[in-house]
Amino acid sequence: SAVISQKPSRDICQRGTSLTIQCQVDSQVTMMFWYRQQPGQSLTLIATANQGSEATYESGFVIDKFPISRPNLTFSTLTVSNMSPEDSSIYLCSVEDYRAPGTEAFFGQGTRLTVV
Amino acid sequence: AQTVTQSQPEMSVQEAETVTLSCTYDTSESDYYLFWYKQPPSRQMILVIRQEAYKQQNATENRFSVNFQKAAKSFSLKISDSQLGDAAMYFCAYMRNMLTFGGGTRLMVKP
Repeated sequence: SAVISQKPSRDICQRGTSLTIQCQVDSQVTMMFWYRQQPGQSLTLIATANQGSEATYESGFVIDKFPISRPNLTFSTLTVSNMSPEDSSIYLCSVEDYRAPGTEAFFGQGTRLTVV
Repeated sequence: AQTVTQSQPEMSVQEAETVTLSCTYDTSESDYYLFWYKQPPSRQMILVIRQEAYKQQNATENRFSVNFQKAAKSFSLKISDSQLGDAAMYFCAYMRNMLTFGGGTRLMVKP
C-alpha cells in the first residue's frame, strides 16, 4: 500500500488569496489525482497529474484556478488561486496502487479549506 | 460517462445489528472494479472492501461483505455486528480508467 502525507490538514484563508496543498507519497507513482469534496457532498475529480507533463483537468476545473505541479514521481502540489467562499471544501490527493494500477486508490488525509 | 448512485443519504443501525447500504452503477464495460470507502470525521478515506467485476464470488472482509449483482449493476455493502466505530460516511465507487464516487450514505450507529 501507499502512504500519503498531505499538508496542511486545514487552513482558514482570506478571499482573493491562494493556498498551495502538498502531497508526498512514500513510493514512486505514475499518476496522482486531486479531488474536491464540497460540504456534505461526494468527491469530485479535479485533475490527474502525471510527472513530466501538464495535468489533465476535468470539466468545470481550469488550470488558472487550480494549477498543479508534479516535479517528480513522489510529490505533487495543488494551488487554489484567488479564493472565494465557494472554494471552501475538503481537498484530497490520491494515488493508485503502483503495482497494479487501477486496482485500488489510496488517499491523503485531506485538507479542510475555509475561505472567509 | 459512468454514474454511481447511492439512494440512501442516511442510514441508522443499532449496535450489534446488521445494516445494508445500497449502490447501483451504470457502465457499458465488462471489466472494472468496485469499492466501498469509509470516511469518518477525520476525513481519511479508508478502503472497506473491493470487488473485481470478473469475479463471481462476493468479496468479504471480516464483518463487511458485498452482494455484487453484475447484471443488475448493483453493489450493496452489508455490515454485520455493527460497532460504534462504523459510524461514518460510506462511498461506493466504480473504477475503470478513473474513480467515480457515489453521493455517499451517512451511517449512524445507535448504542
